[in-house]
Amino acid sequence: GEDVEQSLFLSVREGDSSVINCTYTDSSSTYLYWYKQEPGAGLQLLTYIFSNMDMKQDQRLTVLLNKKDKHLSLRIADTQTGDSAIYFCAERNTTSGTYKYIFGTGTRLKVLA
Amino acid sequence: DTEVTQTPKHLVMGMTNKKSLKCEQHMGHRAMYWYKQKAKKPPELMFVYSYEKLSINESVPSRFSPECPNSSLLNLHLHALQPEDSALYLCASGGGPSSPGELFFGEGSRLTVL
Repeated sequence: GEDVEQSLFLSVREGDSSVINCTYTDSSSTYLYWYKQEPGAGLQLLTYIFSNMDMKQDQRLTVLLNKKDKHLSLRIADTQTGDSAIYFCAERNTTSGTYKYIFGTGTRLKVLA
Repeated sequence: DTEVTQTPKHLVMGMTNKKSLKCEQHMGHRAMYWYKQKAKKPPELMFVYSYEKLSINESVPSRFSPECPNSSLLNLHLHALQPEDSALYLCASGGGPSSPGELFFGEGSRLTVL
């Protein structure tokens, strides 16, 4: 099947904004998520958006959703060195009554001091 | 308690060994997941248990055998693995209908097959 696509790599300077993009596949997904993964660790939920919203702001994080184009983005304001990690978007769909979560290809964010 | 606990954190095994990975959650979640993650790749779904029954098997080879003894525990039994099975194995729970229905992940078990 189709992959949930993300750009592979993003490098920004400390204090700048970062924008990570995601193109998902299932137009019926009710929730879309952003997860962060630091080296050697599991995935940590950062934020999410319900499909009937087009924007959500949560402190330094802003999520934009374009359902027509199946495009999701995550903006991190005032990016810090501690934000360096891999970021995955994820869509949730239903198979045989069970929720299934499909992860994007991941974007490695590097923040330069 | 919002933790998913996985043991062991690291495991090295030979191709003829039998070992198990364990996962535990006490959040009352009724769905538990196994994902496999290779380096620099996204997590790939392997199995889903819903209400202690296997509901999704993503065509995983039979050398991986999942087990859900009760609603808090999930095991992954490993037998006759291949070196290409070396990866980070992530357990997750959640997936309920309430908002936002996210998955909670453990820290993973890093498996090396020699």
